[in-house]
Amino acid sequence: QQQVKQSPQSLIVQKGGIPIINCAYENTAFDYFPWYQQFPGKGPALLIAIRPDVSEKKEGRFTISFNKSAKQFSLHIMDSQPGDSATYFCAARRYRDDKIIFGKGTRLHILP
Amino acid sequence: DAGITQSPRYKITETGRQVTLMCHQTWSHSYMFWYRQDLGHGLRLIYYSAAADITDKGEVPDGYVVSRSKTENFPLTLESATRSQTSVYFCASSGYFGDKDRWYGYTFGSGTRLTVV
Repeated sequence: QQQVKQSPQSLIVQKGGIPIINCAYENTAFDYFPWYQQFPGKGPALLIAIRPDVSEKKEGRFTISFNKSAKQFSLHIMDSQPGDSATYFCAARRYRDDKIIFGKGTRLHILP
Repeated sequence: DAGITQSPRYKITETGRQVTLMCHQTWSHSYMFWYRQDLGHGLRLIYYSAAADITDKGEVPDGYVVSRSKTENFPLTLESATRSQTSVYFCASSGYFGDKDRWYGYTFGSGTRLTVV
């Protein structure tokens, strides 16, 4: 059962543009919402994360927006660069057992 | 070296053979996980472990066996490999700096690319 739905599946953006990846969750037992970045041939790596009592978090060019009432959150990448081309996974952590439920991923390509 | 390591990096095996994928972490993290990654399916949890000798099934456990006799090791065994198990397998661990408010997410290994022919 898919509890974290991610869109779009793939995204192509010009350099300098602002790609936006959206996620929605169904379970209110989640307490932590991380985003992972994965380059080809590598394992996913934690990029940025947010707790549900915060509406926005910025780290460098990466921003998470969180809407608790709508059960939605999104990743924005400011001034995107070709080096940001990767697969991005949103996720939600279940507090009682640390289990993370991942979205299906978004393949992002930034054109030079 | 500190971190989480998986071996082998690549493996080709024949249908019906048993194969074991290794995972070792140096942080003494309590939780460890095995995922498989397939195009169109994202990351799917196979098994996870909350501590040594405590394991539980994830989303797609059929055909796999795990054990965790030591905190640092979490091997995954395919008892009789099938072509549908061709995939990239990732091991991950998670832990805390002191208390649950300082959780720093999952750390993934570099993966094992398994091909069953």
